[in-house]
Amino acid sequence: DAKTTQPPSMDCAEGRAANLPCNHSTISGNEYVYWYRQIHSQGPQYIIHGLKNNETNEMASLIITEDRKSSTLILPHATLRDTAVYYCIVSPLNNNDMRFGAGTRLTVKP
Amino acid sequence: DSGVTQTPKHLITATGQRVTLRCSPRSGDLSVYWYQQSLDQGLQFLIQYYNGEERAKGNILERFSAQQFPDLHSELNLSSLELGDSALYFCASSVSFFSGNTIYFGEGSWLTVV
Repeated sequence: DAKTTQPPSMDCAEGRAANLPCNHSTISGNEYVYWYRQIHSQGPQYIIHGLKNNETNEMASLIITEDRKSSTLILPHATLRDTAVYYCIVSPLNNNDMRFGAGTRLTVKP
Repeated sequence: DSGVTQTPKHLITATGQRVTLRCSPRSGDLSVYWYQQSLDQGLQFLIQYYNGEERAKGNILERFSAQQFPDLHSELNLSSLELGDSALYFCASSVSFFSGNTIYFGEGSWLTVV
């Protein structure tokens, strides 16, 4: 299973875009990249996922490099409520039991 | 609201006891997952069921067991509880188990062992 590497923490100013990087250099061709976040001790919240193409939804955008070895989650206009731990996960090919790493703790500051 | 329902939300019990955590998946979801989150371990995958059958197993202790019933709800049984079992236990569900099927989490069950 492909592993991911994320910075342990990041800060972002309120109203600015938050760009969270993730490295997944061992990803296989049919493995998806997923992003979840966890606010305090709430249940992890699904944000977005993608395979090869960039994706956008009402919460965020996901940019996947052409070689698929890294991706960036973009929160276009971060708010204080976006302060959370963000997890980048590569979903295994034949089963989607998500294995969470340490994630990136994003702090949005006023 | 993810649609995944977990009960109880909070539970306090003594060492050596046994508890059962219950999970109702989202309507239409056949796969159920259990995770444990303690302060020093992060989110750990425990076990997955699909349509009543065990699909994948993670870091689940032998003192713990789970099952998925014909109506697709699932229970996680924790026995001979120790102080270190105090954690937040999450259930999640998805339609299927193939990569690309998003899993959705419940709000968790807080277990405190005293």
